Amino acid sequence: AQKVTQAQTEISVVEKEDVTLDCVYETRDTTYYLFWYKQPPSGELVFLIRRNSFDEQNEISGRYSWNFQKSTSSFNFTITASQVVDSAVYFCALRQVYVPGTYKYIFGTGTRLKVLA
Amino acid sequence: KAGVTQTPRYLIKTRGQQVTLSCSPISGHRSVSWYQQTPGQGLQFLFEYFSETQRNKGNFPGRFSGRQFSNSRSEMNVSTLELGDSALYLCASSPSPTETQYFGPGTRLLVL
Repeated sequence: AQKVTQAQTEISVVEKEDVTLDCVYETRDTTYYLFWYKQPPSGELVFLIRRNSFDEQNEISGRYSWNFQKSTSSFNFTITASQVVDSAVYFCALRQVYVPGTYKYIFGTGTRLKVLA
Repeated sequence: KAGVTQTPRYLIKTRGQQVTLSCSPISGHRSVSWYQQTPGQGLQFLFEYFSETQRNKGNFPGRFSGRQFSNSRSEMNVSTLELGDSALYLCASSPSPTETQYFGPGTRLLVL
């Protein structure tokens, strides 16, 4: 079965702390893409990163970093020196072939991050 | 470049009515997908359109339908509304089905 698990329902941290959001996925495909999206209270999902299954290099973008490990089927997201503006729900998603030529996105249940001032 | 726009942003309907939601993709994007988000079920895929053709459909009843126009704008329709249809409906666009999706702000539908 294909699925995405975000076991952390809600995390609260104090501003300037580092926080890691976990994402574990299951897929039988060898080619797939993983994504992270941020959903602030306004509701819009904001794209953060896309990673394909053949690229296991970790990525850093400012205070954000991502750790992709195929061996453990994980794609974790770390925010360094968190800020109040980071408060949102974060979704991990898996995109894989649905039928040839089409794709299906499977979203995790999301992790609500609260950064306290 | 303007982002994905969705109209209306908020909607209140009663059971049995029907509703049409609209999505205008980012300029140049030809693929549009729709999702339903509820607290209980999370984000669930409804359907995907590309070049006016429905390419993919999620597990939703036939009351949920959609279409895409030649300018890539898309509409989704829900007929005979049920209380359980209350949700945030999100539209996402991408240049093609293989590229990253960008989401709109959503339409919050409340069915009374």
